[in-house]
Amino acid sequence: DTGVSQNPRHKITKRGQNVTFRCDPISEHNRLYWYRQTLGQGPEFLTYFQNEAQLEKSRLLSDRFSAERPKGSFSTLEIQRTEQGDSAMYLCASSFGGYEKLFFGSGTQLSVL
Amino acid sequence: TQLLEQSPQFLSIQEGENLTVYCNSSSVFSSLQWYRQEPGEGPVLLVTVVTGGEVKKLKRLTFQFGDARKDSSLHITAAQPGDTGLYLCALGDDKIIFGKGTRLHILP
Repeated sequence: DTGVSQNPRHKITKRGQNVTFRCDPISEHNRLYWYRQTLGQGPEFLTYFQNEAQLEKSRLLSDRFSAERPKGSFSTLEIQRTEQGDSAMYLCASSFGGYEKLFFGSGTQLSVL
Repeated sequence: TQLLEQSPQFLSIQEGENLTVYCNSSSVFSSLQWYRQEPGEGPVLLVTVVTGGEVKKLKRLTFQFGDARKDSSLHITAAQPGDTGLYLCALGDDKIIFGKGTRLHILP
């Protein structure tokens, strides 16, 4: 399967802990996006990369959130000192080029207790 | 800042009925995408519309892009329970943003 892969599928953590999610995009895709989605809402943009360069980060994203794509392939999203409000589905998507079809992974469901 | 609004927010109808959902932007955009999302999964692209006034059909789904390229609609004919899901519109040339979606439930 050469689709977008996200791990883990589910993560339960205690408030104050750090968590890290991984996204493996489709191999030839140079763009990678992270979104956050809460129940009943559309995906909310967090950040995106072209190759290894992080081109934009949402102003809504606090300093506790950081994303990397060190070799222009897989990406990680880390949340430090998690809060209950961080509970959400974190979606990763990839595409080739600019305004192209986004291919999404199945997401990582985060629950902060 | 572009703002995408989708309406209605929720829609529950009987199988076999027709329906239309809408997506509106505060500004002109060059193209727009429609996605469908099922619970526990990521969104899946249905269609991209590019030209003002463009109409695209995907089986029982008809997508229309407004002449002024500020709005779009999705019409479903003879809805089926398998059409149930969250319908999202999205736009952007680099940073792609999504509307809040229309949650559609088709009753058998």
